[in-house]
Amino acid sequence: AAGVIQSPRHLIKEKRETATLKCYPIPRHDTVYWYQQGPGQDPQFLISFYEKMQSDKGSIPDRFSAQQFSDYHSELNMSSLELGDSALYFCASSQRGRYEQYFGPGTRLTVT
Amino acid sequence: GQQLNQSPQSMFIQEGEDVSMNCTSSSIFNTWLWYKQDPGEGPVLLIALYKAGELTSNGRLTAQFGITRKDSFLNISASIPSDVGIYFCAGRSGAQKLVFGQGTRLTINP
Repeated sequence: AAGVIQSPRHLIKEKRETATLKCYPIPRHDTVYWYQQGPGQDPQFLISFYEKMQSDKGSIPDRFSAQQFSDYHSELNMSSLELGDSALYFCASSQRGRYEQYFGPGTRLTVT
Repeated sequence: GQQLNQSPQSMFIQEGEDVSMNCTSSSIFNTWLWYKQDPGEGPVLLIALYKAGELTSNGRLTAQFGITRKDSFLNISASIPSDVGIYFCAGRSGAQKLVFGQGTRLTINP
């Protein structure tokens, strides 16, 4: 079965640079969620989109923004990167009316 | 904000043993999800629970939605080496976002 696709899988950036993470949800899933997971931590919710509109917002820094496109894929844009932004970033998707969230393999971001 | 207390934080067991872990909250949840995460990988959904008192199985895994709606339990029977990993509970209450527990790290001695 098709799964959530994330790219890139690994990303190395320097402080103050920008990064864009991409997420392609499972076909026919219309809701996308972004999570950040630090080492040894549980995933922390950042933001979600339903039908291209922001549906919920968590602990997303003002330096980050995200959007969902007409084909339902989503991008997380991160600017003025800080060392503390180094983490695994997961995208998850769900189908309308369903509460199960399916996670992608993640993007490991390292800020040096 | 909402918090989930997951316990135990870690477990060291022998292959073939049964495993039990749980999550509790001061808030009511209307959905409980259990995930397993391998190092560097995304969480994989194991079981979803939607009704208080619901008991659901997935192979050797069984999970229950607590009657009070403030807790959930996951049991693994006859553990095998591939059960090693971190298990997370996640709860949802109204809003779409999930709140995760701190995880239970399962280690199995052969």
